Amino acid sequence: DAKTTQPNSMESNEEEPVHLPCNHSTISGTDYIHWYRQLPSQGPEYVIHGLTSNVNNRMASLAIAEDRKSSTLILHRATLRDAAVYYCIPLHSPNFGNEKLTFGTGTRLTIIP
Amino acid sequence: EAQVTQNPRYLITVTGKKLTVTCSQNMNHEYMSWYRQDPGLGLRQIYYSMNVEVTDKGDVPEGYKVSRKEKRNFPLILESPSPNQTSLYFCASSLYGPTRDGYTFGSGTRLTVV
Repeated sequence: DAKTTQPNSMESNEEEPVHLPCNHSTISGTDYIHWYRQLPSQGPEYVIHGLTSNVNNRMASLAIAEDRKSSTLILHRATLRDAAVYYCIPLHSPNFGNEKLTFGTGTRLTIIP
Repeated sequence: EAQVTQNPRYLITVTGKKLTVTCSQNMNHEYMSWYRQDPGLGLRQIYYSMNVEVTDKGDVPEGYKVSRKEKRNFPLILESPSPNQTSLYFCASSLYGPTRDGYTFGSGTRLTVV
């Protein structure tokens, strides 16, 4: 499994953009990069995923480096509800079998009002 | 509302007393999985299922059983709970597999075994 490195914690002001980095230098060519977040007292929540090109959805944007060894989750305008632990997860899709999410320690994002 | 529903949300039990944590999804998802979350260890997969009657072990299956008799339900069974199974448990489901469309997680079951 590819190893990931994320900052333990980050702070951001409310209504400002947030850039959450993740290093995954051992990622293989067929690993997708997934991001989940876990709000306090809730289950993990899928945020976004991508393979090679940048991706956007209603929650966030995902910028993937050209060499795929790092990626950045971008929250365009942070709200207090975005305070959570954010997990970057490389995920390999086997032809048949367990597609297992391996959660690391993630980045605890604090939003300052 | 599309969701994964776990019951109960909280449970305190005694060592050795069999229990079942239920998980149900209303999205017609093929894939389902159980995770446990412990401080300092993160989330670890217990069991998963790719479809009805198809289940297999995750990383920490010891002391747990599962069944998938129908697509919507994936109960987690602890035949003889022990204190080291005190944890926060999450059920998750996915239509095409988590690589393609991500997992939807339930709200969790906090289990205490005394």
